[in-house]
Amino acid sequence: AQSVTQPDIHITVSEGASLELRCNYSYGATPYLFWYVQSPGQGLQLLLKYFSGDTLVQGIKGFEAEFKRSQSSFNLRKPSVHWSDAAEYFCAVGKAAGNKLTFGGGTRVLVKP
Amino acid sequence: NAGVTQTPKFQVLKTGQSMTLQCAQDMNHNSMYWYRQDPGMGLRLIYYSASEGTTDKGEVPNGYNVSRLNKREFSLRLESAAPSQTSVYFCASRELSWSNQPQHFGDGTRLSIL
Repeated sequence: AQSVTQPDIHITVSEGASLELRCNYSYGATPYLFWYVQSPGQGLQLLLKYFSGDTLVQGIKGFEAEFKRSQSSFNLRKPSVHWSDAAEYFCAVGKAAGNKLTFGGGTRVLVKP
Repeated sequence: NAGVTQTPKFQVLKTGQSMTLQCAQDMNHNSMYWYRQDPGMGLRLIYYSASEGTTDKGEVPNGYNVSRLNKREFSLRLESAAPSQTSVYFCASRELSWSNQPQHFGDGTRLSIL
């Protein structure tokens, strides 16, 4: 069965500093990988996705993620965070052909002024 | 441009009461999903409907039933609510179940069971 681990429950970062959120997955074949962001009281919004090709993918809001097959990782990065980036971030993995997404437990990001 | 709409946004129930959570999407998507979100556990799939007329169990289906009323609407019913069902419930939709397209989420229903 597929699984997703986000090792960091909370991360606090200063505004303007860089941010990296970790995601490790367990899956037997090439996965479809996603990062979603959830602002307080809101649903989930897709930041970016990886299916194949270039292992560095660009998303919205200045985020990028790198797929590393050898490490089973799909870490999310942003060079300079803004106060509006304070939210909870979820990594998810899906099968190449199938219905189900498996989510990690989420990482809550706090941004200090 | 509504996307996925969930009603109600908040609800408080007593143990044993029943309730139906409503979800509608206006994107002409074929597949719809119900998740629950609990602290530290991410989102867990309750039920999904790959296409109109079909429904299947997800990871945590016990205590829930669903109805795919038509292509637009997918409801989640709690027949006899229990405190363990206190959670935030999200509905999502996707164009095709087998595609690589992402799921689109509603804003959630916050449900408390006393």
